[in-house]
Amino acid sequence: AQSVTQLGSHVSVSEGALVLLRCNYSSSVPPYLFWYVQYPNQGLQLLLKYTTGATLVKGINGFEAEFKKSETSFHLTKPSAHMSDAAEYFCAVRLSGGYQKVTFGTGTKLQVIP
Amino acid sequence: SQTIHQWPATLVQPVGSPLSLECTVEGTSNPNLYWYRQAAGRGLQLLFYSVGIGQISSEVPQNLSASRPQDRQFILSSKKLLLSDSGFYLCAWSLMGATYEQYFGPGTRLTVT
Repeated sequence: AQSVTQLGSHVSVSEGALVLLRCNYSSSVPPYLFWYVQYPNQGLQLLLKYTTGATLVKGINGFEAEFKKSETSFHLTKPSAHMSDAAEYFCAVRLSGGYQKVTFGTGTKLQVIP
Repeated sequence: SQTIHQWPATLVQPVGSPLSLECTVEGTSNPNLYWYRQAAGRGLQLLFYSVGIGQISSEVPQNLSASRPQDRQFILSSKKLLLSDSGFYLCAWSLMGATYEQYFGPGTRLTVT
């Protein structure tokens, strides 16, 4: 079984400040990890994913995340927040080995203060 | 390129009425298909997923059902809606294989009154 914990249901940052959204996972086998973004009343859009290889992955809109196996973490960062980054962010995990289901975290709403 | 459609975009239904939400995918073949419900402050709850025509796996026992009559069509139904069925329903697809990410439709906002 797998699970995902997102620390902080709401995060506020000033425009231009560092964005750090935390995600920890639990998985019995090597996981595949994803970050999605959701704007109000819209579907989810993939920001980035980790499957194998390089542990630092870069995504769209200047976001990146680092897979740390020893810490079972996959935190999302962006050096400088923009007003357009205000949205809800979801971390997700999928087990390797052909398993088809994805488990999502409960989401973190990011507020960007001008 | 692939696209995913959901309709209707919004729906207001009385308690006890039936429900039918439709999802179609274009530009790919034999996708995995998923139905999620998103309730306020509760993240995404996987309701059903399908790996092929007529193959439906249910994750949560409830008064909802799903069907996949065609390769790229996924339908969510209910015979009698409950107040607790209100929420934002999202359809998603992915290619076969665990490494592939899911792509989401625009969603249907359902309000049961």
